[in-house]
Amino acid sequence: DTGVSQDPRHKITKRGQNVTFRCDPISEHNRLYWYRQTLGQGPEFLTYFQNEAQLEKSRLLSDRFSAERPKGSFSTLEIQRTEQGDSAMYLCASSLGFTTQETQYFGPGTRLLVL
Amino acid sequence: GESVGLHLPTLSVQEGDNSIINCAYSNSASDYFIWYKQESGKGPQFIIDIRSNMDKRQGQRVTVLLNKTVKHLSLQIAATQPGDSAVYFCAENTLNTGNQFYFGTGTSLTVIP
Repeated sequence: DTGVSQDPRHKITKRGQNVTFRCDPISEHNRLYWYRQTLGQGPEFLTYFQNEAQLEKSRLLSDRFSAERPKGSFSTLEIQRTEQGDSAMYLCASSLGFTTQETQYFGPGTRLLVL
Repeated sequence: GESVGLHLPTLSVQEGDNSIINCAYSNSASDYFIWYKQESGKGPQFIIDIRSNMDKRQGQRVTVLLNKTVKHLSLQIAATQPGDSAVYFCAENTLNTGNQFYFGTGTSLTVIP
């Protein structure tokens, strides 16, 4: 499968714990995005990377959230001191990264449940 | 802020009928739109896109219509099949907002065999 992959697919954690998710974009894609989706809602933009540079962050991305893409390939999203309100599906997407307004291709998501 | 909304949260159609899913947007500067399909437990899957210099675009069994005058977007699915059952989202982008897409709430399509 040459699409966007995410790991783990599911994560259950206790409030206050830290969690880290991984995203592997489509191999030739330079741009990588993180979104959050709560039940019954559409995805909400969190942040995106152009290669290894994090270029844009949403107001939704509190200081407990940090994303990295150290080598411009895979990315990690870490949530520190998780709260029950962090329970959601975390989606990763990628695009070629050569122009603006590119089609974004999504991975299967990581579903997080904070108890 | 951005506002992308769908007229109907649920839609049920008989297998073989055509489906029409509607989407309204409020930002007149929006100039790129994508329809995504999301099946339960999966990420959104690209269906078709359209830019504001067009008012119609066709794909395989799907057609997207864009009416910029009333800021309305629709997705037409011909000969709907059970495998089309999913939640459908419209997403919009504005050149000024760079790479952020704003998604509507979604319409749940159920195909009755």
